[in-house]
Amino acid sequence: EPEVTQTPSHQVTQMGQEVILRCVPISNHLYFYWYRQILGQKVEFLVSFYNNEISEKSEIFDDQFSVERPDGSNFTLKIRSTKLEDSAMYFCASRVAGYNSPLHFGNGTRLTVT
Amino acid sequence: AQSVTQLDSQVPVFEEAPVELRCNYSSSVSVYLFWYVQYPNQGLQLLLKYLSGSTLVKGINGFEAEFNKSQTSFHLRKPSVHISDTAEYFCAVSPRQGAQKLVFGQGTRLTINP
Repeated sequence: EPEVTQTPSHQVTQMGQEVILRCVPISNHLYFYWYRQILGQKVEFLVSFYNNEISEKSEIFDDQFSVERPDGSNFTLKIRSTKLEDSAMYFCASRVAGYNSPLHFGNGTRLTVT
Repeated sequence: AQSVTQLDSQVPVFEEAPVELRCNYSSSVSVYLFWYVQYPNQGLQLLLKYLSGSTLVKGINGFEAEFNKSQTSFHLRKPSVHISDTAEYFCAVSPRQGAQKLVFGQGTRLTINP
């Protein structure tokens, strides 16, 4: 069964550095998402992406964050200048068209900012 | 806006016993309802979803959930659990319109003891 794949599985970075988290969604999916889960807290929506543009974003997704689909397969989340509070598990998800189509999640990237 | 409350952060159960994981939600608009499971070091996997129709929904691995509109609940149940059901379980809702932005509960850690 096709899967959403995320790399790396664990990323350690220093505060103030830029980091790019990578995702390869399922090939025929059209909607892409990033969620994050700070340790011990809820999984939170960050951003949704469709037709090469952001369709919705949360308050968390400020100017330090950006997303890109640079080619036909990758979907990236960039954090421009990481802060300690950006440490979290970041999940990528994708789905096909249709309001009731389920999200398929990747295994996540654990980002640790020191 | 939507919110989801999972009333139990941890549920220990003996193998072959029944289990119920509780979920209540609030929303000003109609929503879809979901249960996701996260096994150790893996992503979120869809267990089941309620879109419309019958309020009793059956999912994978023998789980089922019942939508109760008057009580705004969507409790997850399994009549007999196995060691392999040990995982974190997340209840989530999504508005019926828009980008299918999932709002998650805080999760319930289900631990099955032999």
